[in-house]
Amino acid sequence: GESVGLHLPTLSVQEGDNSIINCAYSNSASDYFIWYKQESGKGPQFIIDIRSNMDKRQGQRVTVLLNKTVKHLSLQIAATQPGDSAVYFCAENGAMDSNYQLIWGAGTKLIIKP
Amino acid sequence: DTAVSQTPKYLVTQMGNDKSIKCEQNLGHDTMYWYKQDSKKFLKIMFSYNNKELIINETVPNRFSPKSPDKAHLNLHINSLELGDSAVYFCASSQGIGWTGNTIYFGEGSWLTVV
Repeated sequence: GESVGLHLPTLSVQEGDNSIINCAYSNSASDYFIWYKQESGKGPQFIIDIRSNMDKRQGQRVTVLLNKTVKHLSLQIAATQPGDSAVYFCAENGAMDSNYQLIWGAGTKLIIKP
Repeated sequence: DTAVSQTPKYLVTQMGNDKSIKCEQNLGHDTMYWYKQDSKKFLKIMFSYNNKELIINETVPNRFSPKSPDKAHLNLHINSLELGDSAVYFCASSQGIGWTGNTIYFGEGSWLTVV
């Protein structure tokens, strides 16, 4: 579905702290979830993905958690750095209900305070 | 080498004009996409081609016409540009269809401003 939010949600985090970006997904049939990072002036870039048969997946400094019971996805970034400043998008596949396309979240802007 | 490249990066044009944005990927992918991102950063898929065949055609005005001359190219032509067409347009590609778990690679975007 489409987001109709009036503004881009923003999260401000102190440099060095951990960041947690949350995403509520819409389709209980979704079995694949992704996080993308979009830096200013650039295209979205893949960070990490997770399938519905897992509840946690770790990458380099990032962890994705999936809670299917409440349809919630989160991205945790450890020891946040200035280069982590970006807009972060979650996306779900909606399985067969989505007309074969990813369903994108509205995005969360992460601001790193020095 | 840029994996997904699109041109032009910036385009300012008057209402009523016709313009094209070109996209090429050198990843050997089978699937290509056009996305539109509005001022609130919301990403909306417009079209998707798999092996040069149109597989996703979302509700966009028919002033927008994609063309895929081969698997590595997907161009977007826009007729009779309107103010509301101002946005960032992203080309993207994936090995297979993105919703099945194939990573989608995005270009750097084309900033279109209609005045």
